[in-house]
Amino acid sequence: DAKTTQPPSMDCAEGRAANLPCNHSTISGNEYVYWYRQIHSQGPQYIIHGLKNNETNEMASLIITEDRKSSTLILPHATLRDTAVYYCIVRTRPGGGGATNKLIFGTGTLLAVQP
Amino acid sequence: NAGVTQTPKFQVLKTGQSMTLQCAQDMNHEYMSWYRQDPGMGLRLIHYSVGAGITDQGEVPNGYNVSRSTTEDFPLRLLSAAPSQTSVYFCASSPSGTGEDGYTFGSGTRLTVV
Repeated sequence: DAKTTQPPSMDCAEGRAANLPCNHSTISGNEYVYWYRQIHSQGPQYIIHGLKNNETNEMASLIITEDRKSSTLILPHATLRDTAVYYCIVRTRPGGGGATNKLIFGTGTLLAVQP
Repeated sequence: NAGVTQTPKFQVLKTGQSMTLQCAQDMNHEYMSWYRQDPGMGLRLIHYSVGAGITDQGEVPNGYNVSRSTTEDFPLRLLSAAPSQTSVYFCASSPSGTGEDGYTFGSGTRLTVV
């Protein structure tokens, strides 16, 4: 699975959009981009995933560049409860065997939402 | 639904002791797994199971055993605890072995080995 690069920390004002970048320049054609977050002292929480098209759900939007070498997770109206570490993970399409069933977590981005 | 339930939430062990961390899910998920998280590091996969009766090793399996006799339960056994196993342990599940729709994580077990 390709490696990802994320900034170690970011700040965002409450009510504003939070845009979290992720670089995955070595991504291959069959690899998906997944985002999870981990609020302090809790287990990770799945947010969203995508292959090449932009995706949106009730939690966030995922924008993937046309060359797929980077992506941005957008929280449209950040709240204090969105303060967490956000992980960007690249993995091959699930179902390809045992190795693809694991998530490789890096150190993520600590998003601090300020009041 | 309770989701993924881990017990205990906290545990202190002496070096050499054994114990079992419990993980149960009530979502009829086929796939279950165990991760450990150490300070300043991401999560690392210990063992996983794609269905009852099937288990396999992850990145850091040494010192841990698992079994999957039912779909609901996936206990993690520490055979002889060592200080290096001090960590936060998370159990995760997904509807199928693919994990395509994301994993559901438990709230974690904080283990200290002294």
